[in-house]
Amino acid sequence: QLQLQESGPGLVKPSETLSLTCTVSGGSISNSTCYWGWIRQPPGKGLQWIGSIYYSGSTTYYNPSLRSRVSISVDTSKNQFSLQLRSVTAADTSVYYCARHLSWYEFAYWGQGSLVTVSS
Amino acid sequence: QSALTQPPSASGSPGQSVTISCTGTSSDVGGYKRVSWYQHHPGKAPKLMIYEVTKRPSGVPDRFSGSKSGNTASLTVSGLQADDEADYYCMSYAGSNNFVFGGGTKLTVL
Repeated sequence: QLQLQESGPGLVKPSETLSLTCTVSGGSISNSTCYWGWIRQPPGKGLQWIGSIYYSGSTTYYNPSLRSRVSISVDTSKNQFSLQLRSVTAADTSVYYCARHLSWYEFAYWGQGSLVTVSS
Repeated sequence: QSALTQPPSASGSPGQSVTISCTGTSSDVGGYKRVSWYQHHPGKAPKLMIYEVTKRPSGVPDRFSGSKSGNTASLTVSGLQADDEADYYCMSYAGSNNFVFGGGTKLTVL
């Protein structure tokens, strides 16, 4: 069974860069021929898609509202993919989930989420 | 991109059926047959329950079904069980390689 696990700092200062890594087990990113993505959920609010990357790293797509601050990358040698969100503010405080697409249009597998708080 | 509209809460007794709506626009829900639903027990990984409006992944009970009419998609849970109590989120493709989620519905089994 495919499993995803988010990891990274739980506290980030305003204006700094939020960095999270998703480690995949039970399957290989490089053999997946699918997209891998990040989704977040601010406290008390709904989910928001952040962006997704093709398994090879050749293609990325980002939420237009976050595109100027987001980067997603993949490291197939470590079976990981990563999220960087620059110039964070308190509004970026969220539980961040990593996930694997089923086809392009939905997410088949999710991590349990990682709470990141933006505060000085 | 505005979030899809879901009722904040829904409830039903064991054995009953409950339907959760998800309303968008012609640019998302109404424009594509690409609506999916996720079950989320707090503290656990969300789980895909329905995709492409009506399809169920392997292992999802047929008590869960999806439909769509115009700009509104719906998730129906039949034969409610205690373990169905969770948060449910809809998601739709919104064109231009973008996705939009609903605000979530807390389903309570009475």
